[in-house]
Amino acid sequence: EADIYQTPRYLVIGTGKKITLECSQTMGHDKMYWYQQDPGMELHLIHYSYGVNSTEKGDLSSESTVSRIRTEHFPLTLESARPSHTSQYLCASSDPGQGNTEAFFGQGTRLTVV
Amino acid sequence: TQLLEQSPQFLSIQEGENLTVYCNSSSVFSSLQWYRQEPGEGPVLLVTVVTGGEVKKLKRLTFQFGDARKDSSLHITAAQPGDTGLYLCAGAKGGNYQLIWGAGTKLIIKP
Repeated sequence: EADIYQTPRYLVIGTGKKITLECSQTMGHDKMYWYQQDPGMELHLIHYSYGVNSTEKGDLSSESTVSRIRTEHFPLTLESARPSHTSQYLCASSDPGQGNTEAFFGQGTRLTVV
Repeated sequence: TQLLEQSPQFLSIQEGENLTVYCNSSSVFSSLQWYRQEPGEGPVLLVTVVTGGEVKKLKRLTFQFGDARKDSSLHITAAQPGDTGLYLCAGAKGGNYQLIWGAGTKLIIKP
């Protein structure tokens, strides 16, 4: 069982609100990722991190920002939520140091902006 | 441009039937993974294939990596309703093992 946790699981919020989606892992993994996924559709990488103080934008442009102050914590923030941000957000981590590329995913946060 | 093409995009079959889904690319990958995702959950790794031509079995699921390490297939024998889900393939490339994801195959097994 993967030790990666996302909170909240579900969030309904009004337009213009600032939100932070939390992601924590206890596996000591250096690499962490945020994906955006519409239900049953493909994953889109929006942010990733190779370690503390490292953050990069992914393939899909996103108005969100991330930070990586501690190895285990990789929160995602939306300064001003809009209905177009409605989606599922998945956090993942991996430890490719030994050539193992397996990504461990959290259960996701289903965000609805009204 | 999708580097990993999965087909079919959607498949609905009766319990007990066999099926194969495909993951194809023009790129070479150092390894390829298959994940299954159930509604409301994150994807979970099923298998990683590394060597060209490799075949791995997981109960009724058989995974094959192409000889040239550009493509893979997943065959399910005697499908069951519990196999229902979104099946995603992901290829690892480069020294930092960045994962490239396919768009997924949505599989429904009807009782």
